[in-house]
Amino acid sequence: DAKTTQPTSMDCAEGRAANLPCNHSTISGNEYVYWYRQIHSQGPQYIIHGLKNNETNEMASLIITEDRKSSTLILPHATLRDTAVYYCIVPNQAGTALIFGKGTTLSVSS
Amino acid sequence: DVKVTQSSRYLVKRTGEKVFLECVQDMDHENMFWYRQDPGLGLRLIYFSYDVKMKEKGDIPEGYSVSREKKERFSLILESASTNQTSMYLCASSLDLGLNTEAFFGQGTRLTVV
Repeated sequence: DAKTTQPTSMDCAEGRAANLPCNHSTISGNEYVYWYRQIHSQGPQYIIHGLKNNETNEMASLIITEDRKSSTLILPHATLRDTAVYYCIVPNQAGTALIFGKGTTLSVSS
Repeated sequence: DVKVTQSSRYLVKRTGEKVFLECVQDMDHENMFWYRQDPGLGLRLIYFSYDVKMKEKGDIPEGYSVSREKKERFSLILESASTNQTSMYLCASSLDLGLNTEAFFGQGTRLTVV
């Protein structure tokens, strides 16, 4: 199964863009990259996912490198409520389950 | 609004007790999952089910079993609870991860075994 590597923690000033990197160098050609976040004491929440092309929704943008070995989640204007643990995830090889790593703790401060 | 509901938010059980954690989803999803979450270890997959009466072991199935008698309900069973099973347990469901869909999580059950 593909593995992901993320920095343990990051800081961001409120109103600035938060860029969260993820390395998934062993990803296979048909595996999607998913991003979830978990705010304290809540279940993880889906943010965005992609295969090859960059993706954007109301929450974030996802930039995937051409070789698909890494990606960056962008929160364009971070707020205090974006303080959370962010998980970059690739499903298991069978495509039947999400395998979580330890994620990146993003702290947004005013 | 889609929903995954876990029966208890907080639970305290004694060592050796048989514990049932219940999860219900209202989205007619095929796949359901149980994870546990511990500080410094992130979320770890215990079991998952891709259909009624079907189950697959995840990364840490020891000490646990599961039951899926109906599509909407997935139960996690601790046959004989131990203190090292004190943890946050999270249930999730998805239509089909392999086909470009997302998973929805419940709010979690914080289990303490004393």
